[in-house]
Amino acid sequence: NAGVTQTPKFQVLKTGQSMTLQCAQDMNHEYMSWYRQDPGMGLRLIHYSVGAGITDQGEVPNGYNVSRSTTEDFPLRLLSAAPSQTSVYFCASSYSMGGASTDTQYFGPGTRLTVL
Amino acid sequence: SQKIEQNSEALNIQEGKTATLTCNYTNYSPAYLQWYRQDPGRGPVFLLLIRENEKEKRKERLKVTFDTTLKQSLFHITASQPADSATYLCALDRGGADGLTFGKGTHLIIQP
Repeated sequence: NAGVTQTPKFQVLKTGQSMTLQCAQDMNHEYMSWYRQDPGMGLRLIHYSVGAGITDQGEVPNGYNVSRSTTEDFPLRLLSAAPSQTSVYFCASSYSMGGASTDTQYFGPGTRLTVL
Repeated sequence: SQKIEQNSEALNIQEGKTATLTCNYTNYSPAYLQWYRQDPGRGPVFLLLIRENEKEKRKERLKVTFDTTLKQSLFHITASQPADSATYLCALDRGGADGLTFGKGTHLIIQP
């Protein structure tokens, strides 16, 4: 199994540009999520999905869109990039989420995004 | 909202000693508490999970305790090695679908 994969590894954008961060998992996990990690701050949840066709907002959803058309893929779209979105983005998946021991998260390697 | 506090300063431990990391939380008690390891430039990796009705969990040289009265979890690495140097993240699972709440992490340095 490849686990959770993310592309690209690095990206530089100009303010106002849009782009999609890709995330895929091959573990047949129902739950997928996107976090951002900034220096001095913990991982913060952007959006999550409990299954194909179902998405919801996390703690910091503004400026980001998601969709979940398949179990495997969960892309994150930046609509109009801003310097405040410079961060490291992690995609994660788990078998479930809701207070079970199977909630352990499997993280991807991350995408390092710089917005100029 | 839930607030999680981990040692904000780096923790320097001599090789062979036991490293103890602290995770304190406020407000509600989580259903589960998880510990992750993160190396520079990589995503977090799951280490241990402990339920609210468990006091202690062990895995090889790792031990986690969970005190719901003190609202605290301790993470121990015994016989520490330089390879244990990393950032360790505490995460709370409230039992809802909106994911884990992570602490900022503690940077552990094991000195030979």
